[in-house]
Amino acid sequence: EAGVAQSPRYKIIEKRQSVAFWCNPISGHATLYWYQQILGQGPKLLIQFQNNGVVDDSQLPKDRFSAERLKGVDSTLKIQPAKLEDSAVYLCASSYGRAALYEQFFGPGTRLTVL
Amino acid sequence: AQSVTQLGSHVSVSEGALVLLRCNYSSSVPPYLFWYVQYPNQGLQLLLKYTSAATLVKGINGFEAEFKKSETSFHLTKPSAHMSDAAEYFCAVTEEGYSTLTFGKGTMLLVSP
Repeated sequence: EAGVAQSPRYKIIEKRQSVAFWCNPISGHATLYWYQQILGQGPKLLIQFQNNGVVDDSQLPKDRFSAERLKGVDSTLKIQPAKLEDSAVYLCASSYGRAALYEQFFGPGTRLTVL
Repeated sequence: AQSVTQLGSHVSVSEGALVLLRCNYSSSVPPYLFWYVQYPNQGLQLLLKYTSAATLVKGINGFEAEFKKSETSFHLTKPSAHMSDAAEYFCAVTEEGYSTLTFGKGTMLLVSP
């Protein structure tokens, strides 16, 4: 079974530029998550989708971050414009359902460096 | 609000020694608790989870953890460390019915020959 795919793996941009990350979850997984992992910290949930609807985006900085999951499959996370403090690893995860009993499977992440 | 505290950002052990990684949680409702492992440049992988059944939970790679409500703890142990266990370990908490995980800051496990 193929895992969660993310691209690109690495991205370096200058502040105020825009960037987009792509995630393709495990086939059949209805729930998709985007996490931000700053160096030295644990992952922090940015947004959670159930199919193509947003379930939780309470910690998403909506003035600069946006995400979509068209057709309830793959997803894109965008930052516009980027700030220095956005340097982090962005992890995508998926699970069969929303309940805590369902394991979240994580992709390898995209490491963003903002200069 | 839920939170997790992992004591020690780095833990060093010798190969063959006992591994003990500490996790304390705070939750106003019965928690679900998880341990994840992250190898360099990889995503997180679930080691084990507690979901209100048996308090002693066994996971992959010989790891286990015990839920102690009175101590609000969920410490991770392994009797004998292998070099391949060197990685970062994260404890996480959520509650029944929800899937939003709150992670600790992580503990880096270093294993020396």
